[in-house]
Amino acid sequence: KQEVTQIPAALSVPEGENLVLNCSFTDSAIYNLQWFRQDPGKGLTSLLLIQSSQREQTSGRLNASLDKSSGRSTLYIAASQPGDSATYLCAVSVGNYQLIWGAGTKLIIKP
Amino acid sequence: DAGITQSPRHKVTETGTPVTLRCHQTENHRYMYWYRQDPGHGLRLIHYSYGVKDTDKGEVSDGYSVSRSKTEDFLLTLESATSSQTSVYFCAIRPLGGDSPLHFGNGTRLTVT
Repeated sequence: KQEVTQIPAALSVPEGENLVLNCSFTDSAIYNLQWFRQDPGKGLTSLLLIQSSQREQTSGRLNASLDKSSGRSTLYIAASQPGDSATYLCAVSVGNYQLIWGAGTKLIIKP
Repeated sequence: DAGITQSPRHKVTETGTPVTLRCHQTENHRYMYWYRQDPGHGLRLIHYSYGVKDTDKGEVSDGYSVSRSKTEDFLLTLESATSSQTSVYFCAIRPLGGDSPLHFGNGTRLTVT
């Protein structure tokens, strides 16, 4: 059974730092991996989607990598800003259009 | 929000009462999903739909039923609410085919007392 883990559950860093969020999964048979952002009281917003054949995807200050063999993905945020404060979730697609989710990392960027 | 409206946004109900949550989309996308989100568990799929009257169970479907009589509406019903169903419920749509990213509504916070 596929399991997705995100460690740490919470992270607080000063503004301007580069940071890495981690996502690990137990079964390498995935179709893709997705990173989402969730703001308090809101739904989730898709940030990046990495297909199983890809190694990384970039969008602005965000870069996501995927290493299927080790069951890991990282989300790199460059030059963090207070507006980046949110909960970040990763999810793996396991077929039948279903996603298995991590519990998220709550990120706080201190001004 | 990609044209997704969830109603109600908040609801408090008593154990044993029926509850229906509504998800409405304005864009006629085929795939719709109901998730619940609980602390420490991430999102878990309850039911999903791949067309009018075409639905299937997710990993936590016990105690829930769904209906989709129109493309734009996907209803989630708790036939007899229990305290374990206290959660935040999210509806999502898949705008494009294949494994394209989901678009989410803003959620319904349900409390069962």
